[in-house]
Amino acid sequence: QITLKESGPTLVKPTQTLTLTCTFSGFSLRNSGVGVGWIRQSPGKALEWLALIYWNDEKRYRPSLKSRLTITKDTSKNQVVLTMTNMDPVDTATYYCAHLGYVVGEYYFVNWGQGTLVTVSS
Amino acid sequence: DIQMTQSPSTLSASVGDRVTITCRASQSISSWLAWYQQKPGKAPNLLIYKASNLESGVPSRFSGSGSGTEFTLTISSLQPDDFATYYCQQYSSFADFGPGTKVDIK
Repeated sequence: QITLKESGPTLVKPTQTLTLTCTFSGFSLRNSGVGVGWIRQSPGKALEWLALIYWNDEKRYRPSLKSRLTITKDTSKNQVVLTMTNMDPVDTATYYCAHLGYVVGEYYFVNWGQGTLVTVSS
Repeated sequence: DIQMTQSPSTLSASVGDRVTITCRASQSISSWLAWYQQKPGKAPNLLIYKASNLESGVPSRFSGSGSGTEFTLTISSLQPDDFATYYCQQYSSFADFGPGTKVDIK
């Protein structure tokens, strides 16, 4: 059974850096073809893909946010970490991590974490 | 970004109705399209990938079709558990989601 869970601060101040951790089980980022992505959803709004990382350390970022995002993995801990710099109130959202589809390069999301709400406010 | 649109934005229907949601892409995405269902306070749940492939465990009343720039999600007979918001997502170039279609009770 695949599970993912996001963790991190619930409140950050404007200009601060957000660090979120996705801890997963039921699969391994040591295995060929496996990937994890991050998606966010502002309150009452649609979903927005942010970044993804594959077992081979291949990374992709949303072009409009690329300068602010870093995604890394810790295979031994079964974790993927997303950092986002220079946070702004418009970044207030629920942040999800998710297990990617079965074929490398097919960026759809099969299993999702429960999400974590991050509020950006002074 | 590839712009995704969905219609309608809200759909009122009754149990047993056949429901169709349309998703359009701003450029051709071949069949690189997924559909998700999301209920309030929950994470999205994958229903369909590659336009028409039903994800394991998803009821067969859900089906997807289309290619290029126009796609549809059909629920053949709406069940009480299906009242939710539905999103399409292209993955031809990175990933972009549509704005969602809320299916509520008529």
